Amino acid sequence: KQEVTQIPAALSVPEGENLVLNCSFTDSAIYNLQWFRQDPGKGLTSLLLIQSSQREQTSGRLNASLDKSSGRSTLYIAASQPGDSATYLCAVRAHRSGGGADGLTFGKGTHLIIQP
Amino acid sequence: NAGVTQTPKFRILKIGQSMTLQCTQDMNHNYMYWYRQDPGMGLKLIYYSVGAGITDKGEVPNGYNVSRSTTEDFPLRLELAAPSQTSVYFCASSYFDRTYEQYFGPGTRLTVT
Repeated sequence: KQEVTQIPAALSVPEGENLVLNCSFTDSAIYNLQWFRQDPGKGLTSLLLIQSSQREQTSGRLNASLDKSSGRSTLYIAASQPGDSATYLCAVRAHRSGGGADGLTFGKGTHLIIQP
Repeated sequence: NAGVTQTPKFRILKIGQSMTLQCTQDMNHNYMYWYRQDPGMGLKLIYYSVGAGITDKGEVPNGYNVSRSTTEDFPLRLELAAPSQTSVYFCASSYFDRTYEQYFGPGTRLTVT
């Protein structure tokens, strides 16, 4: 069964710092990995999607990497701003070989606070 | 495009009552999903559909039912609500196959007392 772990569970850093959020998954047979942002009481906003054949994706100040063989992904946020404060969720889309349901398997998230 | 819309935004149910959570997408997506999110936890898949008339169970289907009569709509039915179903429910959709990203609705916050 696919399991997704995110470290750290919470992170607080001063504005302007670069930071890295970590995600690991137990089964490397995935289609893709998706990073989301969730603001308190809100839905999920997709940040980046990395296909299993890709190594990284970039969008503005965000860069996500994927090492499928080791079961790891990182989300790098450059020059952090108070508006980046949110919970960041990592999710993988696993192959269904051997059965199992479709859909994304999520980590519990990293709660990020950027101090002004 | 409105994207994925969900109604209602909030609902309080008494134990044993039933209700339907509505989900509609206007992106002509084949795949639709229902997830629930408990406090401090990641989302868990309840049910999903790969097209009109086709549905299948996810990780936590007990106590729920779904139907998919059209491409656009994917309602989630709660029968005999229980306190364990207190959660935030998210509907999502994605295009053609499993390589496409999922888009999420704003969620329905349900409390069962």
